[in-house]
Amino acid sequence: EVQLVESGGGLVQPGGSLRLSCAASGFTFSSYWMSWVRQAPGKGLEWVANIKQDESEKYYVDSAKGRFTISRDNAKNSLYLQMNSLRVEDTAVYYCARAPYTKGYGMDVWGQGTTVTVSS
Amino acid sequence: EIVLTQSPGTLSLSPGERATLSCRASQSVSSSYLAWYQQKPGQAPRLLIYGASSRATGIPDRFSGSGSGTDFTLTISRLEPEDFAVYYCQQYGRTFGGGTKVEIK
Repeated sequence: EVQLVESGGGLVQPGGSLRLSCAASGFTFSSYWMSWVRQAPGKGLEWVANIKQDESEKYYVDSAKGRFTISRDNAKNSLYLQMNSLRVEDTAVYYCARAPYTKGYGMDVWGQGTTVTVSS
Repeated sequence: EIVLTQSPGTLSLSPGERATLSCRASQSVSSSYLAWYQQKPGQAPRLLIYGASSRATGIPDRFSGSGSGTDFTLTISRLEPEDFAVYYCQQYGRTFGGGTKVEIK
């Protein structure tokens, strides 16, 4: 079964850091672009970052540049999002998703999400 | 940065009716990179359409996508009870539109 499972969410104070992980199974992880997408409470979807198969290309939404870092370990079938200098407005459910180039980067597999709450 | 504007914000329809959702881009988007998603409360989004008009695996043929350039449309030919949800468009695996909620009238 093709599956993505996120972990690492939690409560953190403003200015703090958190590292999210996403474990992939059931497909050849190293063959796919991967993404992080978030959704603030009661709001719409917001793309956060993308990473190419070999980490040679990474892209971020403006609000994440300089604070978040997307990375992957193909040997461990895992995707990561290191989040530093967290702000209250980063509070959201964070999803990892598979984004195949063959589907125009349409995200065809999603995890269940992990909740990040930034609050003092 | 390309901005995607979805309209209407909310669509109130009855089961069996046709739904037409719009996604307008602030500049031209390649059709190859326009996707549509469905999201129900408490669930992750689900890919419906990619490449503007290709249905994803397992998506019923009552869902169809069309458009080019700056104007794209998602059509649900006859609404089933399970189709009442929020729909998002997305370009190039990045920017999402604000969403259209399809609710029961």
